[in-house]
Amino acid sequence: GQQLNQSPQSMFIQEGEDVSMNCTSSSIFNTWLWYKQDPGEGPVLLIALYKAGELTSNGRLTAQFGITRKDSFLNISASIPSDVGIYFCAGQLISGTYKYIFGTGTRLKVLA
Amino acid sequence: SAVISQKPSRDICQRGTSLTIQCQVDSQVTMMFWYRQQPGQSLTLIATANQGSEATYESGFVIDKFPISRPNLTFSTLTVSNMSPEDSSIYLCSVSAGIGTYEQYFGPGTRLTVT
Repeated sequence: GQQLNQSPQSMFIQEGEDVSMNCTSSSIFNTWLWYKQDPGEGPVLLIALYKAGELTSNGRLTAQFGITRKDSFLNISASIPSDVGIYFCAGQLISGTYKYIFGTGTRLKVLA
Repeated sequence: SAVISQKPSRDICQRGTSLTIQCQVDSQVTMMFWYRQQPGQSLTLIATANQGSEATYESGFVIDKFPISRPNLTFSTLTVSNMSPEDSSIYLCSVSAGIGTYEQYFGPGTRLTVT
């Protein structure tokens, strides 16, 4: 079946560092969503991307819709301890539908 | 975005029993969905809850095991039937606001443990 691979699987970084993570697939997607999930909580939507090449920011977060439509990237600048959590990408399988498949997740740990 | 609540927030159940999870939204939404998140795993779509008609299930999920109701545009229930330890997961309700937007928002989840 279709799969979204997220990289890295987990990472430890120092507070203040920039973070990059990505999602890749062999399939083409029409929309990308990026979420953050804290322990014991539901995922919170961070950024939505709708067009190939689109670059969108939300505070210290910036996400890009890959040109090939098979990948997406999320960057966090100047990380802080509350950035700790699991980040998921989600790709819209079929244009005009609400079906998404979710990436495997990137677990981020920030060292103060 | 809509405010989504789920009940219960967590439960511990015995195998062979059933649990009904409720999802309530503070505004009318077009689409409601149910996801499962197994321990340490990503999210998997169970079904789309259709208002006034039978839910649309994804491959690997069946109505007898996961009956879903959606009586109106703000409420849905998911029942996990005849539970086994393999059903221990977080069950999440999500909504999409409506036509022209494909953003999905999640409830806080229901953490189910089956013993």
